Formats: sequence, structure tokens, C-alpha cells
Amino acid sequence: EAGVTQFPSHSVIEKGQTVTLRCDPISGHDNLYWYRRVMGKEIKFLLHFVKESKQDESGMPNNRFLAERTGGTYSTLKVQPAELEDSGVYFCASSHQGGELFFGEGSRLTVL
Amino acid sequence: GQQLNQSPQSMFIQEGEDVSMNCTSSSIFNTWLWYKQDPGEGPVLLIALYKAGELTSNGRLTAQFGITRKDSFLNISASIPSDVGIYFCAGLKTNTGNQFYFGTGTSLTVIP
Repeated sequence: EAGVTQFPSHSVIEKGQTVTLRCDPISGHDNLYWYRRVMGKEIKFLLHFVKESKQDESGMPNNRFLAERTGGTYSTLKVQPAELEDSGVYFCASSHQGGELFFGEGSRLTVL
Repeated sequence: GQQLNQSPQSMFIQEGEDVSMNCTSSSIFNTWLWYKQDPGEGPVLLIALYKAGELTSNGRLTAQFGITRKDSFLNISASIPSDVGIYFCAGLKTNTGNQFYFGTGTSLTVIP
């Protein structure tokens, strides 16, 4: 069974540019989460989808971040325009009915 | 957001030594999880705890769910070089939409 996959693994962009991260959860997992870790800090919650609906987006930093999960399958997280403080590792995770979280390998974003 | 205080922040130990790390919070959690992140990888679940007072082992790893439901610890016995990585605690609150909150991580270095 395929795990959670994320793309790209690493993205380097300039301030003001746009980046879109993609996450494919484990098949059948209704719950999909986006997290971000800035070096040395905690893994911080961004938002939670249940199927295609946003269950909780209280962790989204500001309106430069837009997450979608059309059709309840894969999800995208777009940052537009990117700022320096957006740099970090963005993790996607999925779970089945509130069970264990399975993480992807993360997408490292570097904003110059 | 919820704050999970994880300590120590980093540890440097000799191979063969035992390791202990803990996580505390001012909030009550229904589930405590311990994850390990290897460099360039996503966090991988080590142990899940579902009941206050529960003590669970997974090989050389032992974790406990505190009686107050506000803390948890993880012990690693007889450490080996492949134990190197970052260990995260995570708490789950089912009454807030199945949201997981993570600690800041404990970076473990094992010296052969």
C-alpha cells in the first residue's frame, strides 16, 4: 500500500513568487492534515480536511495560504505571494477516522 | 494553539545508554503519540497511547500516558546509533475535530 506522498520534495523560490505543494494521502483516508515545521520549532498545525471539506483551518497563517482538496482525494497548498518567513518543511499527513497519523516525507520550501 | 512542552531539546549520549524524554501540557489529551523523524523523512509513528496510565512497549521503547492525561514520557533502553533522529510527542484532542498538537521535538545523537 502506498504511503502519503508529497511533491515537490524541495522548492526554492524568490520572495513574491508562488508555490504549490501537493499531497496524495493514503487511499481511503478521509482525514488529511497540513503541518509546517520551521527549524527548531514544533510541527505546527495548519489545517484539516475531512474528505473535501475544511474541518479546521485555524492554523493557516494568513490569506496568502490557500489549501484545496477537490474531490476529497489529493490536496494542494498554495502560497502566493511567498514571504521569507514561509520557509520551512511542509508536512502532509492522513488518517482514517481519527486514528493514527501517517506522514509524508515533507516538502521543504526555501524562500530567498 | 495548544502548547506541548517537550524536553530535553537535545541529547548527546553514548551508545548503550538509556534515554528518557517527556512531554507536558496544560491541557488534557485523549491520545498521546510518539513519532521519530529521520533526516529527510517524514515523522514515523513509534508508539500510540490511548488510556490514562497506559504503559506500552515497542522493542526497546517504552512510553506512558500520564494519569492526569496532561503528560507522557518515552524511554529508549540500550541506545544504538540508528536511534539518532528527532523525536516528537503529539497529543490528540477528539473534542476539537481530531486535531493533533505536536511538541517541539527532542534531537537525539548517539555516539558510538
